[in-house]
Amino acid sequence: DVKVTQSSRYLVKRTGEKVFLECVQDMDHENMFWYRQDPGLGLRLIYFSYDVKMKEKGDIPEGYSVSREKKERFSLILESASTNQTSMYLCASSFAGGWNTEAFFGQGTRLTVV
Amino acid sequence: AQKITQTQPGMFVQEKEAVTLDCTYDTSDQSYGLFWYKQPSSGEMIFLIYQGSYDEQNATEGRYSLNFQKARKSANLVISASQLGDSAMYFCAMSAVNFGNEKLTFGTGTRLTIIP
Repeated sequence: DVKVTQSSRYLVKRTGEKVFLECVQDMDHENMFWYRQDPGLGLRLIYFSYDVKMKEKGDIPEGYSVSREKKERFSLILESASTNQTSMYLCASSFAGGWNTEAFFGQGTRLTVV
Repeated sequence: AQKITQTQPGMFVQEKEAVTLDCTYDTSDQSYGLFWYKQPSSGEMIFLIYQGSYDEQNATEGRYSLNFQKARKSANLVISASQLGDSAMYFCAMSAVNFGNEKLTFGTGTRLTIIP
């Protein structure tokens, strides 16, 4: 069974804090993605990575950075959390050549910034 | 740039009826994949069905079928004989090669409610 695991299900942080969201997959997938999900806006791509140490900006990268030091792990970093980053964050992974294979998702992290 | 449009924010359907969820897409890529995912209230994303841009036949998976009309750039999901457990958010997504790397883009979703 493919597993994508996000480190926390719920997280509450203060404004200005540095926040790390961790995602680990066990299927040796090349591609990994970070999305945020907000009501009425669907899933919006923040960053994606197609290999170790490689990253590409998605549609809403402002205020975020990512790190991929190992193939199985993809971290999303909020350098200085703000209240408008309160959201559900979803991590996903897929094989390269993945335009024709499905992505697998983690359970999501609901982040609240107060 | 790729874009997915789902124009139905919410739908109410009587149990056992068929339902069609609309999805249109925009891309200049020749090779792409179209996906539908279901997200129940528990929050997990469940893969339902896939259609490749070169597939000539519409994809089917049990009660799910994808009505693919390439010229119209539409990829509607059809659920036959709806059940109460089909109540969920449904997302249409597209994967296409973006400067050599696959980018997966989602629509805004449709909340489907099945009425007993």
